[in-house]
Amino acid sequence: KAGVTQTPRYLIKTRGQQVTLSCSPISGHRSVSWYQQTPGQGLQFLFEYFSETQRNKGNFPGRFSGRQFSNSRSEMNVSTLELGDSALYLCASSLVSPDTQYFGPGTRLTVL
Amino acid sequence: AQSVSQHNHHVILSEAASLELGCNYSYGGTVNLFWYVQYPGQHLQLLLKYFSGDPLVKGIKGFEAEFIKSKFSFNLRKPSVQWSDTAEYFCAVKARGSGNTGKLIFGQGTTLQVKP
Repeated sequence: KAGVTQTPRYLIKTRGQQVTLSCSPISGHRSVSWYQQTPGQGLQFLFEYFSETQRNKGNFPGRFSGRQFSNSRSEMNVSTLELGDSALYLCASSLVSPDTQYFGPGTRLTVL
Repeated sequence: AQSVSQHNHHVILSEAASLELGCNYSYGGTVNLFWYVQYPGQHLQLLLKYFSGDPLVKGIKGFEAEFIKSKFSFNLRKPSVQWSDTAEYFCAVKARGSGNTGKLIFGQGTTLQVKP
């Protein structure tokens, strides 16, 4: 079975721009969670989607948003990029039960 | 607020030495517990997990972990490390309950360096 895939793997943007990251979950997994990984803050939960609905959200500003499509693929969007948004963005997918999360390789976002 | 604490930020061991990485969490309810590993240049991989039952769980590559509920701990162990175990290790907790769906709380991570 193919693992979680994320595109693109690397992105360079400038402040003020917006960016969209994509995540394809493992086949059959309907839950997708997103995390931000930085050296200072570690791994932090952004949000989780299931059946096209956001079920949970972390403590991030409204500039961070996401959505999920009917095929369970998910996208996250960051608008008005700031330097501090530079990070590795990880996507994880899971079954409803057991809800063990499997991670993708991440998208490395650099904001200049 | 829920939190996870990993006691060691950087551990250096020689091959064949025994490993124990500490992990404590703060949450009074029922939890699912995980250890993930991130090898250099690779993505996060699941080492082992605990949902219920026997508190001693075995994972891949000879790793095991013990859940001690009274101590809110889930320490990772390996009797004899190899150079290939060099990686960053993350303890993660998922609190059960509808308000916690899809949310893992991670510790800060422990970098393990194994010297050949």
